[in-house]
Parts: sequence; structure tokens; C-alpha cells
Amino acid sequence: GAVVSQHPSRVICKSGTSVKIECRSLDFQATTMFWYRQFPKQSLMLMATSNEGSKATYEQGVEKDKFLINHASLTLSTLTVTSAHPEDSSFYICSLEVLQGRLDEQFFGPGTRLTVL
Amino acid sequence: GQNIDQPTEMTATEGAIVQINCTYQTSGFNGLFWYQQHAGEAPTFLSYNVLDGLEEKGRFSSFLSRSKGYSYLLLKELQMKDSASYLCALKAAGNKLTFGGGTRVLVKP
Repeated sequence: GAVVSQHPSRVICKSGTSVKIECRSLDFQATTMFWYRQFPKQSLMLMATSNEGSKATYEQGVEKDKFLINHASLTLSTLTVTSAHPEDSSFYICSLEVLQGRLDEQFFGPGTRLTVL
Repeated sequence: GQNIDQPTEMTATEGAIVQINCTYQTSGFNGLFWYQQHAGEAPTFLSYNVLDGLEEKGRFSSFLSRSKGYSYLLLKELQMKDSASYLCALKAAGNKLTFGGGTRVLVKP
């Protein structure tokens, strides 16, 4: 399977600041990566699909100007939460999809816990 | 769009069997996935069904009925480490996954 890393694993910031989260594929080239958000005791909600070399595709209700996604290489996608507010505090998880035989399986990063004070 | 329902919580005894049901409505279907997620960690893949029937992988099995919009995950010989959330996820079209709310399973001694 694919190994996906995220950095940082935890971040605490003040309201109004911007936070960048990196998602790296360590052993596969990924033209597509996915960004999810998970609030406590809730499931994963897809925020956007990150496409290498082109604009990300955002899900309905996700502000593209607030959650900036850059997928500049086949192994790195970044999510920047701009002007973060306490309601943005959440667990952010990235994933990439790899064809494994007959199955397109998504492999997830370890997640980044963002706390906005 | 898609709608996915699964129970919020289940409790079972170590060594027992637990079945987690997932029902869904969707306009397209490219597969039904089950993931395990421990608190504060990323989901890990458990099982996948695209055709009707049972898929068995060790202690975990998953069943799918596309006509009924129904799947279940069966966990056998429960161990304490199986206490986690179990997420049912649907791939309707393209490569996007839509997750259900997750079922928290508590395994008691």
C-alpha cells in the first residue's frame, strides 16, 4: 500500500492566522489527492479534490478562498487554512488513491489536528 | 447525491461476533468500502464490495446487496483492540468517497 505523511500532526494557532498543512505521498506518484475534515465524533467529510498541476475541485459549501489547496508536484499537496477561526478547529486528513489490482483503494495520512484559539 | 445510514454505537463482548449494518441510497455505484478508525488516527482499509455477496478477510467479512442498498461488516472473535469506529463509505461515481457517520464499537471483557 501507499504511505502518506502529513505535517504537522498538531497545530495550535491564534484566531486570524493562516496555517499550512502538508500531505506527502512517500512511495507513489499521485495526480489526485483528497482533503477531508472530521469534527469530533463525526465522520469524514470530503472538502476538496486536489489535482496535480491544476485547480482543486471543492465540495459544495467549502470556501475555496478560505481553504487554499496547492498540488504542485506528484508527491505533495498542501492545504492552507486562511484567517483561521475557532470553528475551523478540526481533524484534517488527506488521502490518495492507488490502483491495487481491481481495486482503487484510498490510503489516508495520519491527520493533522488543528486547534484555533 | 448519496445518503448513508449506520448505527451510531454498538457494544459487544470479547470473543463474540458483531454485525454492523449500512444502508444507502445512491444514483450511481462503484463500490462500498469499510474502514476502521481508532480515535485520533487515520482510517485504515478493511474491506470492499462491488458485486453482491460476501467478501471474507480473516476475522472481518463484508456483505453487499446492491438491489437492497445494504451492506454489513461482520467482526468475528472480537478482541479488545477492535474497539474503534467503523466507517461505511460509498463510491458513487468517479473516485470520490462519501462516508457514513460511523459506528463506534465498544468491546467489553
